[in-house]
Amino acid sequence: NAGVMQNPRHLVRRRGQEARLRCSPMKGHSHVYWYRQLPEEGLKFMVYLQKENIIDESGMPKERFSAEFPKEGPSILRIQQVVRGDSAAYFCASSPREGANVLTFGAGSRLTVL
Amino acid sequence: DAKTTQPPSMDCAEGRAANLPCNHSTISGNEYVYWYRQIHSQGPQYIIHGLKNNETNEMASLIITEDRKSSTLILPHATLRDTAVYYCIVRGLTSGSRLTFGEGTQLTVNP
Repeated sequence: NAGVMQNPRHLVRRRGQEARLRCSPMKGHSHVYWYRQLPEEGLKFMVYLQKENIIDESGMPKERFSAEFPKEGPSILRIQQVVRGDSAAYFCASSPREGANVLTFGAGSRLTVL
Repeated sequence: DAKTTQPPSMDCAEGRAANLPCNHSTISGNEYVYWYRQIHSQGPQYIIHGLKNNETNEMASLIITEDRKSSTLILPHATLRDTAVYYCIVRGLTSGSRLTFGEGTQLTVNP
């Protein structure tokens, strides 16, 4: 029973390129959350999605960032025109329903922008 | 969600109990207390949660004071692998599933 799978684990991009991070939730989980952790800082909530719906995007930067969770396939966090300040670890978590007591986190994707 | 206050760091000797405190004096009646930890560079890991009764599982015990204004996470026999940042989070039912992480406590277990 695989846990939350994130890929790539490490991604290097040059300024101005696009970064796509993927998250496959645990089997049976239909809710996905994305968090960002800047170097030496805490975890910050970005967005909460259910299949085909964005439920809460209050933590998403207004520009360049978008997220989706299609009916089929993984959730995607997309960062357009990356800048050095986007370098961070991006963690995905999943749960089976809204209000679930336990969120299961993936190992994270580490983005480095040169 | 109520704000939580934790000491920034703590040390514990290997094999001894680690007692991590958390203050949540503005907690309301329908808010739960959750504990997660993050071992260096890894994804956060759920430990335990509770509403008002003490809870115990295979990882830890959670002691919540009667007035619910504070709680203590207890790792009964700390090992080196328990070195991590421990987050105490208060979340209400109206917050959906989102967890808001604070600064946490860096627990260092020493040999």
